Amino acid sequence: QVHLVQSGAEVKKPGASVKVSCKASGYTFSSYSISWVRQAPGQGLEWLGWISVQNGVTYYAQKLQGRGTMTTDTSTSTAYMELRGLSSDDTAVYYCARNLNDFSASPLDFWGQGTLVAVSS
Amino acid sequence: QSALTQPASVSGSPGQSITISCTGTNNDVGSYNLVSWYQQHPGKAPKLIIYEVIKRPSGVSNRFSGSTSGNTASLTISGLQTEDEADYYCCSYAGSSTHIFGTGTKVTVL
Repeated sequence: QVHLVQSGAEVKKPGASVKVSCKASGYTFSSYSISWVRQAPGQGLEWLGWISVQNGVTYYAQKLQGRGTMTTDTSTSTAYMELRGLSSDDTAVYYCARNLNDFSASPLDFWGQGTLVAVSS
Repeated sequence: QSALTQPASVSGSPGQSITISCTGTNNDVGSYNLVSWYQQHPGKAPKLIIYEVIKRPSGVSNRFSGSTSGNTASLTISGLQTEDEADYYCCSYAGSSTHIFGTGTKVTVL
């Protein structure tokens, strides 16, 4: 069965960077794309961006432009999201999710367990 | 880009039907039949329950159904059960390969 297993919680200082990983199993990694979503404490879901595993094309939410980078490593079936210049507003649980297919417009059918990123001085 | 608007909370008794609305604009909900709905229990990851407005993934109960009218999408839960108590989020494709989520609705089973 499909599993997405994310890396553990992180505590970072303002201005630092964080890189969250998402290891996929149970399906052909390159046949589906990956999206990232975050959820601040007690808040709703926020779409962050999308990456095609097949060709590495990425699309980011406007507020992530220039600060975020999404990548994949097909040799290990792992997706990564790096966020730079962290501020307290970035404190959230970050989720990776598999898209139903390789189109950026497709919904998210399987989700990772989430990774808490806490930004505090 | 503002979040899609959902009611903060909706409640119902077991066995009843409830409907959650999700209001967007003609740049998202009104332009694409690409609305999905997610169920999230406390401390858990979201789960896809409706996609492309009306489709249900394999294994999702047929008590969940979706629809749209103009710039508003709706999720109906019929035969409400205690396990349906959760947060629900709509999400719409918004063009230029971006997505936008709703503000979320807390469903309480009385």
